[in-house]
Amino acid sequence: EAQVTQNPRYLITVTGKKLTVTCSQNMNHEYMSWYRQDPGLGLRQIYYSMNVEVTDKGDVPEGYKVSRKEKRNFPLILESPSPNQTSLYFCASRWGTGVRNEQFFGPGTRLTVL
Amino acid sequence: QKEVEQDPGPLSVPEGAIVSLNCTYSNSAFQYFMWYRQYSRKGPELLMYTYSSGNKEDGRFTAQVDKSSKYISLFIRDSQPSDSATYLCAGRGYGQNFVFGPGTRLSVLP
Repeated sequence: EAQVTQNPRYLITVTGKKLTVTCSQNMNHEYMSWYRQDPGLGLRQIYYSMNVEVTDKGDVPEGYKVSRKEKRNFPLILESPSPNQTSLYFCASRWGTGVRNEQFFGPGTRLTVL
Repeated sequence: QKEVEQDPGPLSVPEGAIVSLNCTYSNSAFQYFMWYRQYSRKGPELLMYTYSSGNKEDGRFTAQVDKSSKYISLFIRDSQPSDSATYLCAGRGYGQNFVFGPGTRLSVLP
């Protein structure tokens, strides 16, 4: 089944404790993104990657890191999480940047930083 | 001003009603417009996309874009309880990333 998977689905952590949220897709997509979703603000892009070893900042990159060492994986790293990073995070992938290339979203990771 | 705005709702309608969901946008560079549906505890899924002014129909769903007024609409005919979800509109320009609205929560009551 074609899908985007994220782990963990739920995470409660404390300020300053490094964490990684994994994302994997099995559709051989080149383009992958991370979004955060907050009430009243919608989905905002954190980082994106157009291919292996190619990443760039989205609209809200502060406090986050990413890497793209393999085509299928795009982990999101929070080196020193803070309470304002409490949010619902989505990984997404698509074949390319054309409008007809549907963007597939993962199931989401709900992160709480105490 | 947010680039894409939506009334967050919640919007409650009886089963069988015609639903109208609306967005406004401010970025004149937007060429493509999308509607996503997001069920509770799930990721968004693409419902429809369009890249020109006018209407596009797909089953019970019709997407409408008016670029002159920067207004996007989604109509759902014969609404069903299974349509209960949050609906996100999004826009993008050539080569640009998606900009999403905050979403409208819809409840269709049996």
